Amino acid sequence: GAVVSQHPSRVICKSGTSVKIECRSLDFQATTMFWYRQFPKQSLMLMATSNEGSKATYEQGVEKDKFLINHASLTLSTLTVTSAHPEDSSFYICSARDTTGGHTEAFFGQGTRLTVV
Amino acid sequence: GQNIDQPTEMTATEGAIVQINCTYQTSGFNGLFWYQQHAGEAPTFLSYNVLDGLEEKGRFSSFLSRSKGYSYLLLKELQMKDSASYLCAVMDSNYQLIWGAGTKLIIKP
Repeated sequence: GAVVSQHPSRVICKSGTSVKIECRSLDFQATTMFWYRQFPKQSLMLMATSNEGSKATYEQGVEKDKFLINHASLTLSTLTVTSAHPEDSSFYICSARDTTGGHTEAFFGQGTRLTVV
Repeated sequence: GQNIDQPTEMTATEGAIVQINCTYQTSGFNGLFWYQQHAGEAPTFLSYNVLDGLEEKGRFSSFLSRSKGYSYLLLKELQMKDSASYLCAVMDSNYQLIWGAGTKLIIKP
């Protein structure tokens, strides 16, 4: 199946600094990628939909100035957590759908465990 | 509103069969997905149903009834490694995935 690579898998940063997370589709082009956040023992919460060449669409309650999304190419989307605080510590996961050939399943990156100290 | 319901937790015995149910109410329907998620890892794709009926894939099968807004994931010959959370997700009319809260499956020897 299609592969989505997310980097880094784990990051620890100091409060007030920024962290960039990359999401790449390795063997298909993804015009749309999705960014999720998951707290322990909870399901995925969609943060934003990343569209290649245009602005991301953010879900209600997600601060777009804090969670900057850039989707500069058909294979790469980045999420930057700006001025991170301990409450931003979470598991961040990206996904992309390979819609070629009529496929609709979403493939996930490995996830990024962010710890803000 | 849109809603996906599945049990919070289930327990089953190694070697047995377990059925995880999912009911949904969404604005439009473009398929239902089941994902497996081990603790601390990202979800992995298990199945996709868009037409009514049963889809079998090895030890795992998934069933869909669109008229009832209902699906189940059936796991046979349970193994300890099947202990995980199982997420039901429905793709709505805007091709967005609506996620259930997940069912934590505990396998006992």
